[in-house]
Amino acid sequence: RKEVEQDPGPFNVPEGATVAFNCTYSNSASQSFFWYRQDCRKEPKLLMSVYSSGNEDGRFTAQLNRASQYISLLIRDSKLSDSATYLCVVTPYSGGYQKVTFGTGTKLQVIP
Amino acid sequence: DVKVTQSSRYLVKRTGEKVFLECVQDMDHENMFWYRQDPGLGLRLIYFSYDVKMKEKGDIPEGYSVSREKKERFSLILESASTNQTSMYLCASRGEENEQFFGPGTRLTVL
Repeated sequence: RKEVEQDPGPFNVPEGATVAFNCTYSNSASQSFFWYRQDCRKEPKLLMSVYSSGNEDGRFTAQLNRASQYISLLIRDSKLSDSATYLCVVTPYSGGYQKVTFGTGTKLQVIP
Repeated sequence: DVKVTQSSRYLVKRTGEKVFLECVQDMDHENMFWYRQDPGLGLRLIYFSYDVKMKEKGDIPEGYSVSREKKERFSLILESASTNQTSMYLCASRGEENEQFFGPGTRLTVL
């Protein structure tokens, strides 16, 4: 089983739709979780951290389910500019160096 | 804002050449990383450094070496470039909350 798994997509959704991505992880000791956004031929950029209590930033909501070992990203009212690849990132501890594991990404295409 | 810069956006080299990729960050971060990203394989860690002159191998260090003489600068060296090292190379530094900040990447083609 891969350490971090994501559905590669693509997810093709109309503007204004709500879309959700999941990311499963295998290391139960994982403690830090992030979602990154990567545009075509650009570097990944931090979208948001994922906290145990869940967190929201505008149209974006991230949640963590430790029991089932997955994190999720919900995008409401999708915009054309949301089209990108979304990477989940998992690390085992919250301090010092730890092996950071990236998912291979889920591609989102928002259609007019 | 954290800024991570990389010396080149695009590079074309020939097989057997020695290649230097440089990365500079301006946030006094201790941890810096070099990744390569290939379609379908995602980001793979080549080397990382947790302090000046300190380095650790990542998942795919073969064919690469690194240098960290100053805190802000982390260099990746391809001792003898090969065609299978054609890739996108991404440098990152790690912030206090464990998040990573990436440079714009160097797209290297080895002919």
